[in-house]
Amino acid sequence: AQSVSQHNHHVILSEAASLELGCNYSYGGTVNLFWYVQYPGQHLQLLLKYFSGDPLVKGIKGFEAEFIKSKFSFNLRKPSVQWSDTAEYFCAVKENGGYNKLIFGAGTRLAVHP
Amino acid sequence: DTAVSQTPKYLVTQMGNDKSIKCEQNLGHDTMYWYKQDSKKFLKIMFSYNNKELIINETVPNRFSPKSPDKAHLNLHINSLELGDSAVYFCASSHQGNTEAFFGQGTRLTVV
Repeated sequence: AQSVSQHNHHVILSEAASLELGCNYSYGGTVNLFWYVQYPGQHLQLLLKYFSGDPLVKGIKGFEAEFIKSKFSFNLRKPSVQWSDTAEYFCAVKENGGYNKLIFGAGTRLAVHP
Repeated sequence: DTAVSQTPKYLVTQMGNDKSIKCEQNLGHDTMYWYKQDSKKFLKIMFSYNNKELIINETVPNRFSPKSPDKAHLNLHINSLELGDSAVYFCASSHQGNTEAFFGQGTRLTVV
């Protein structure tokens, strides 16, 4: 069965610090990968996605992620975080071509202090 | 223009009651979902409908019954509510295939 691991459950950073959130998945086939963000009290919003092509994908708000197939990883990065990035971040995977069933990681809570 | 809307946003009810949550999407998607987010923020799919047909039914108690009257709506009815049903329920929609899902704002259900 597919699974997604997010290694950092809780990350605390100061503004302007660099961010990297880890995400690993277990599935032997072709996958689609996603990062969603959930701001306090709000719904999930898509940050970025990878379906195929360039493994380095850029999303909204300065976020990017790199798909490394050999490592089954899809880590999220941002060179300089802001206080407004405080949120819960979820990595998700979907089997390519299958039903649109997203398997989510447990989430990483990011707190950015001014 | 809300893409995926759920009602109600908050629902507080007593154990044993029956309640429904409604979901509507105006994105023209053919697939809709219900996800449950527990108190630890863990998200898990419950159901998925494609063109009003049930295609994903995870291990969910029979007390939960989804209903899709048309492609734009997917409602969730819960019978005999239990304390453990307290969670945030998210509706989502997408096109079938390699596309992303769009989520509603969630319904926070509290069973007392």
